[in-house]
Amino acid sequence: DSGVTQTPKHLITATGQRVTLRCSPRSGDLSVYWYQQSLDQGLQFLIQYYNGEERAKGNILERFSAQQFPDLHSELNLSSLELGDSALYFCASSASGTPYEQYFGPGTRLTVT
Amino acid sequence: QQQVKQSPQSLIVQKGGISIINCAYENTAFDYFPWYQQFPGKGPALLIAIRPDVSEKKEGRFTISFNKSAKQFSLHIMDSQPGDSATYFCAASRFSGGYNKLIFGAGTRLAVHP
Repeated sequence: DSGVTQTPKHLITATGQRVTLRCSPRSGDLSVYWYQQSLDQGLQFLIQYYNGEERAKGNILERFSAQQFPDLHSELNLSSLELGDSALYFCASSASGTPYEQYFGPGTRLTVT
Repeated sequence: QQQVKQSPQSLIVQKGGISIINCAYENTAFDYFPWYQQFPGKGPALLIAIRPDVSEKKEGRFTISFNKSAKQFSLHIMDSQPGDSATYFCAASRFSGGYNKLIFGAGTRLAVHP
């Protein structure tokens, strides 16, 4: 168990809808990262937050957004969902002293029908 | 320049054998190379990592070999066990300006047969 928690574990929704995925980092970790894992694209970095501020963006669609709250939990918002958004979404966190070591949560499996 | 190429795509090894997975990168600015292990239905778990100033790092049965001039690194799993059957991902990152995104390889599905 990495100490990173994600909810929900599974999510099934229809095209055009909006969903929110939640992540709680390991205790004390200030950095939160979001990754998408799909069969055709593999593991892709989406976005990083550090202590509430956006630090880096990867291949994140404009329909997707994220934020990190004062208690350090993070939410990934996916809107106008398409079939191709079906994937596993992982959150990871790292400590300030060891920023390279990212610890992943169990993921949220999103199915868009 | 941001790619990490991983091979093979799948690997079958007999129990007790050596599993070898290879990765190559292009961006010489990368300064951290971790390996992650992922079991079905689970998130990737950090297994072992290396910095480019070291040519080899060993932790238990797992060893990373790093060749900076060739821009290649590999994972060796000694005395492979059925419990090692999982998907392995190599990755690379560059810590710059306070951000540290991981660039992952495509993954290798390892099956260790008893």
